[in-house]
Amino acid sequence: QQQVKQSPQSLIVQKGGISIINCAYENTAFDYFPWYQQFPGKGPALLIAIRPDVSEKKEGRFTISFNKSAKQFSLHIMDSQPGDSATYFCAASGDSGSRLTFGEGTQLTVNP
Amino acid sequence: NAGVMQNPRHLVRRRGQEARLRCSPMKGHSHVYWYRQLPEEGLKFMVYLQKENIIDESGMPKERFSAEFPKEGPSILRIQQVVRGDSAAYFCASSPLWGARTEAFFGQGTRLTVV
Repeated sequence: QQQVKQSPQSLIVQKGGISIINCAYENTAFDYFPWYQQFPGKGPALLIAIRPDVSEKKEGRFTISFNKSAKQFSLHIMDSQPGDSATYFCAASGDSGSRLTFGEGTQLTVNP
Repeated sequence: NAGVMQNPRHLVRRRGQEARLRCSPMKGHSHVYWYRQLPEEGLKFMVYLQKENIIDESGMPKERFSAEFPKEGPSILRIQQVVRGDSAAYFCASSPLWGARTEAFFGQGTRLTVV
């Protein structure tokens, strides 16, 4: 299966809170898991990515946690800010070159 | 270093017309991917091209849609005889020549509206 399942569909957090978005996949050939951030009217921009040889990757306020056995990965945004309000997509690739399979997206709203 | 350039940004076509979307990859990138994003949905893969070759078109509708990436010039996604259901944002992404599973850089997209 090529699907990547993402949840929740929408998320509202207060400024300074933690935003958590989850994704699950089925294809064990996937070996690259990026997260993309998309603002209205713009193209997706790479936020952070992880490969399955590590269980966690942190870049600033953004952390990916990866559970290979469960075939799940998640994005944590610490100290969420109103400027983080955007749509976030998880994705995966591996057995088809750099072709990406995207999750359905999570619309994040951070209230001031 | 310019990013991935797509034009036009917005395109309005009447039903039955042809839509032609252009994508110039980042300098040094020879892999191009086209994705379609329907309203309130995620991006769906359409086609993967290298210079003068279609590598994977498994996501392309069987009819009316075609893509090319000539030796010179931008990649073109062509939609013939457009229908209302073709209204969507079409994104192009490019990645560098060396290796798969590298970062794909996206353009700003072309928003196609069929009236």
